[in-house]
Amino acid sequence: DTEVTQTPKHLVMGMTNKKSLKCEQHMGHRAMYWYKQKAKKPPELMFVYSYEKLSINESVPSRFSPECPNSSLLNLHLHALQPEDSALYLCASSVYPGNYNLPLHFGNGTRLTVT
Amino acid sequence: DAKTTQPNSMESNEEEPVHLPCNHSTISGTDYIHWYRQLPSQGPEYVIHGLTSNVNNRMASLAIAEDRKSSTLILHRATLRDAAVYYCIRWGSQGNLIFGKGTKLSVKP
Repeated sequence: DTEVTQTPKHLVMGMTNKKSLKCEQHMGHRAMYWYKQKAKKPPELMFVYSYEKLSINESVPSRFSPECPNSSLLNLHLHALQPEDSALYLCASSVYPGNYNLPLHFGNGTRLTVT
Repeated sequence: DAKTTQPNSMESNEEEPVHLPCNHSTISGTDYIHWYRQLPSQGPEYVIHGLTSNVNNRMASLAIAEDRKSSTLILHRATLRDAAVYYCIRWGSQGNLIFGKGTKLSVKP
């Protein structure tokens, strides 16, 4: 079991739909991350939130919109996605931003299929 | 370049030790070496990390070369549950945890 909870586990959406992915952690971590993982590829960083503020956007298309309403919750809002956006979306957290001496804690991801 | 170099795949027998190598020849003095593994249908799981000294925990050992240009993750007795993709990652001055391609470990009974 992981201490980072992601919902839903699976999501199928059409290209005109709007949906949201949710990530929750109650470890008091102040850095949260979204990664995208295509099949048989390593995870790729999308966004980093530090103290609830967006600190890194790795040139992600605007059809992906992150939100951090509070220190425990991270959302990823999806709109007008393309079939090539189908992937496993992973959320992670760490104690403090920029503290490289502590690990990242990952959730088990949301498997997204865009039809 | 923040990437590391690992073999694409390795095979081990159950109950035997496994040594997973990683090259990070351009590592800076303040970069930590992290190892994560990813089992099928799961998110990456933290295994171990270190800076200069060798490290041990309940999951594995990490041996870091004296010049820090390479490291080795050691699983002391491989089990079938250790079959996964193992990622070696430099994390430090470049800011973000960036994954390389990883090593797919197969464990034979």
